Amino acid sequence: SQTIHQWPATLVQPVGSPLSLECTVEGTSNPNLYWYRQAAGRGLQLLFYSIGIDQISSEVPQNLSASRPQDRQFILSSKKLLLSDSGFYLCACLGGVATEAFFGQGTRLTVV
Amino acid sequence: AQSVTQLGSHVSVSEGALVLLRCNYSSSVPPYLFWYVQYPNQGLQLLLKYTSAATLVKGINGFEAEFKKSETSFHLTKPSAHMSDAAEYFCAVSGLNTGFQKLVFGTGTRLLVSP
Repeated sequence: SQTIHQWPATLVQPVGSPLSLECTVEGTSNPNLYWYRQAAGRGLQLLFYSIGIDQISSEVPQNLSASRPQDRQFILSSKKLLLSDSGFYLCACLGGVATEAFFGQGTRLTVV
Repeated sequence: AQSVTQLGSHVSVSEGALVLLRCNYSSSVPPYLFWYVQYPNQGLQLLLKYTSAATLVKGINGFEAEFKKSETSFHLTKPSAHMSDAAEYFCAVSGLNTGFQKLVFGTGTRLLVSP
């Protein structure tokens, strides 16, 4: 089965600073990759998904961007963080329609 | 488009009591349905999934869920709650959306278990 590596686990960043969160996948090739954000007391909001290298789609217009430079690498970035970017960010991988998603351990981002 | 609704942001039960977490879905195509559990500051772990085989699905840790098409429901149950079941639970629906698989989550239900 797939293993999702996500880092860092926690991050405290000042407003206006850049962001780079990385996610790598083991155990599969050509996966569908996803970035979700979980705000306190809320569900999971899909931010970006990717079906292949350099193929990124955004679900919600926002201050963030995503890139997929390699098949099993998915990066979430921002040029200037906002307070509202605080949350728990999760990377996920799906292998097919009927298969379950595998999640990384998440990154807790606090923007101060 | 698919969506799920989880009724009740918090559910409290006593240890040993029945656990019932509710999930209703909306889907224009036959859905694939999932229940996930999340412990604090961790990722999500799959409990069980429905993929159009048996309507009663058994998962890990004694949980099960029943797919009821007529009620568009996929409620999660466990006969006897354990303290270790305290966590947040998410229902999710999946289906192809313009050729891409999209997994949509509910807002989650926090299960509290008291001794």
